[in-house]
Amino acid sequence: AQTVTQSQPEMSVQEAETVTLSCTYDTSESNYYLFWYKQPPSRQMILVIRQEAYKQQNATENRFSVNFQKAAKSFSLKISDSQLGDTAMYFCAFNDYKLSFGAGTTVTVRA
Amino acid sequence: EAGVAQSPRYKIIEKRQSVAFWCNPISGHATLYWYQQILGQGPKLLIQFQNNGVVDDSQLPKDRFSAERLKGVDSTLKIQPAKLEDSAVYLCASSLVSLSSYNEQFFGPGTRLTVL
Repeated sequence: AQTVTQSQPEMSVQEAETVTLSCTYDTSESNYYLFWYKQPPSRQMILVIRQEAYKQQNATENRFSVNFQKAAKSFSLKISDSQLGDTAMYFCAFNDYKLSFGAGTTVTVRA
Repeated sequence: EAGVAQSPRYKIIEKRQSVAFWCNPISGHATLYWYQQILGQGPKLLIQFQNNGVVDDSQLPKDRFSAERLKGVDSTLKIQPAKLEDSAVYLCASSLVSLSSYNEQFFGPGTRLTVL
């Protein structure tokens, strides 16, 4: 079974600042996808960013970017210029035909 | 494009009662998933359908949980009888294909179940 570990239960960041969420995973597969999902209090799970294991270039989506270190099995998410609307639970997920989620990191953006 | 629809949004029941949740996936999505998300944890896959066939139900407690996807569109998840530990949010998701690791899943708003 694949395991995904998010070691930071909670993170707090000042508006306009940058926050980085960590994620590590364990797999013997060579081809897979990694995702970061955002779950605001409304509970709607929203895809933030995805990364294919074969691609060395780190994915970027506007203010969200990842640092993918395949050898270290690390997949961190950086949120730049944090906004109040970024307050949510963030889940790292690993997919090799089945999506496995980490326990999540609660991010609170302070005004 | 309409998203994944789920109902009800909230449900409160007594233990040993039965409950059913409904999910309508995005039109054209062949794959449907049910997840259980206990407070403070990430979602855990309960069952995955490809059209109306079950692909993976290895983590479904089959003594009390059942799910069906008749006609390969809507799906219902049932719990009978409910236990206190079933209190959770039940998320439904859908995707175009499942036989690929590139598998963007679109999630519904979930049903929050409280078992008293």
